[in-house]
Amino acid sequence: DTEVTQTPKHLVMGMTNKKSLKCEQHMGHRAMYWYKQKAKKPPELMFVYSYEKLSINESVPSRFSPECPNSSLLNLHLHALQPEDSALYLCASSQAGTSGIGPDTQYFGPGTRLTVL
Amino acid sequence: RKEVEQDPGPFNVPEGATVAFNCTYSNSASQSFFWYRQDCRKEPKLLMSVYSSGNEDGRFTAQLNRASQYISLLIRDSKLSDSATYLCVGRGPYGGATNKLIFGTGTLLAVQP
Repeated sequence: DTEVTQTPKHLVMGMTNKKSLKCEQHMGHRAMYWYKQKAKKPPELMFVYSYEKLSINESVPSRFSPECPNSSLLNLHLHALQPEDSALYLCASSQAGTSGIGPDTQYFGPGTRLTVL
Repeated sequence: RKEVEQDPGPFNVPEGATVAFNCTYSNSASQSFFWYRQDCRKEPKLLMSVYSSGNEDGRFTAQLNRASQYISLLIRDSKLSDSATYLCVGRGPYGGATNKLIFGTGTLLAVQP
């Protein structure tokens, strides 16, 4: 089973709201990722967690705050977003994390389509 | 120069055609490569990993040439259901991170009846 689940599927929020995106995997993967994807563009990496520790932050604005409560869960807390933050937010997971061994395939969840008004 | 480059297309081909996508990468230290497929408004799904020895999965054949830093994907006997964006993807090390994926811009394939 290579399933990554994400909730909610769609989210509309105002610029003053606080919301959270959730991601879950039960494949025993030790690396989890957040990506942002705008229309007709490839996914852009935002954050990487390896073994529940933040290992990569791609200079993402602080209005996006990731959290990894345990090895199966990844959250993205949103606060004071801008309309240009509207995008598809994808979560992914992979097995090996930072070991560099093997292809370490990443599997993506269905995404949360976020609209900021 | 982008780290992973591919022709954005679109490639418009008739059903049954053979179509080839090419991709080049600039970081010779890149460890692994993949082709992902992404349907409109859906998530990327792994199509296949790419190995230097070449690998085949049904109608799909992928090839990696490390000397030329070139990756290819061949689709034989195209089906309508093959219509999608095909993403060429490289995996680290990028900036020292071994599990960072770098995506090409994607190539749009439209198979016509």
